Amino acid sequence: TQLLEQSPQFLSIQEGENLTVYCNSSSVFSSLQWYRQEPGEGPVLLVTVVTGGEVKKLKRLTFQFGDARKDSSLHITAAQPGDTGLYLCAGARGYQKVTFGIGTKLQVIP
Amino acid sequence: GAVVSQHPSRVICKSGTSVKIECRSLDFQATTMFWYRQFPKQSLMLMATSNEGSKATYEQGVEKDKFLINHASLTLSTLTVTSAHPEDSSFYICSARRSSGGVYNEQFFGPGTRLTVL
Repeated sequence: TQLLEQSPQFLSIQEGENLTVYCNSSSVFSSLQWYRQEPGEGPVLLVTVVTGGEVKKLKRLTFQFGDARKDSSLHITAAQPGDTGLYLCAGARGYQKVTFGIGTKLQVIP
Repeated sequence: GAVVSQHPSRVICKSGTSVKIECRSLDFQATTMFWYRQFPKQSLMLMATSNEGSKATYEQGVEKDKFLINHASLTLSTLTVTSAHPEDSSFYICSARRSSGGVYNEQFFGPGTRLTVL
């Protein structure tokens, strides 16, 4: 059973378009992280959200944590080829181990 | 801050040999480190949780005698793949969690080690 459902799993868009990636669960998380991973490299932490309803921005990336802390979204504005990669969400409940979503593979075409 | 290194980045070995992979937290102390395995086009699969000064906790289905983990200091954990076979070929990634400060469940990942067993 996948505790964290990520969608879409694959996304191919043109440069300049906007996109949203979703991370959903039936469980409440105490914190949720978003990572980006490029081929042959380890995931890089983008953001951590801990408060229900929290919104964080990182340049063209906007992260939101659901009010009930069960879901999160990542919105990218005016995507660029450099945004290409695998986006992973990861959630934890208290001191339990972190669970990763299956990932969203994004391709931004110039 | 929060940099994690892994060594080696790539290793090719013959079947039956053992391979050691090092994971270091360079600018923070990590009481807990994690070892993951990643297959092509798939997400991360947690293999084990490494705790400084104590035995590692292995996930179900992961052979502890095959994947030896040693977390001897607050900045170093090692994974040794013993008697490697071709099916052990994979991308191994470690991560580290800060001992203090920051958000408890944040993990910082190393760059990964590509293991190829011939």
